Amino acid sequence: AQSVTQLGSHVSVSEGALVLLRCNYSSSVPPYLFWYVQYPNQGLQLLLKYTTGATLVKGINGFEAEFKKSETSFHLTKPSAHMSDAAEYFCAVSNAGRRALTFGSGTRLQVQP
Amino acid sequence: GAGVSQTPSNKVTEKGKYVELRCDPISGHTALYWYRQSLGQGPEFLIYFQGTGAADDSGLPNDRFFAVRPEGSVSTLKIQRTERGDSAVYLCASSLLSSGRGGNTGELFFGEGSRLTVL
Repeated sequence: AQSVTQLGSHVSVSEGALVLLRCNYSSSVPPYLFWYVQYPNQGLQLLLKYTTGATLVKGINGFEAEFKKSETSFHLTKPSAHMSDAAEYFCAVSNAGRRALTFGSGTRLQVQP
Repeated sequence: GAGVSQTPSNKVTEKGKYVELRCDPISGHTALYWYRQSLGQGPEFLIYFQGTGAADDSGLPNDRFFAVRPEGSVSTLKIQRTERGDSAVYLCASSLLSSGRGGNTGELFFGEGSRLTVL
């Protein structure tokens, strides 16, 4: 069984501030981890993913995430928020035995001017 | 088109009616997924096709829900005797199969969804 917990359904930051969106997962086997972003009235699109290898992964638009096995976490960060980052962010997990992604409940990011 | 296409974008129906939602995946993508997203929730897995066959239908909530992909391309999600609780956005995604340990290491490409409202 696998699951994802996203702490904080809403996060608000000022433009230029650090963005930190939290994701913890549960998986009985080594996980594959993903962050997706959903802009208003658009489909989900992949930000970044971890499968194997380097635990710090970089994605689009300056986002990155670090896989920490000991903490079962895959938090998403960006050093400096931009107004265009306002969106809903979803963390997801899969593994070798289950192709379908399991998503968290999402975190809505607001960026204040 | 270049992306995953879903029709209709909006569907309003009455309780008890039958509904079909269509998904046209990216050309060449062998894997196709259906998800359901309720308000304030993340996408919830329904069913996954590899080619024409349903490889995993463990997410279908009950026997009112059924999906087909007869030619390995377009898929239709069918909901019988709709209930108000079926109201949600139904998302379709497609992907190439990735090599590796057998898990889904590849990116899923999502459509914009079909919003179903059951009155």
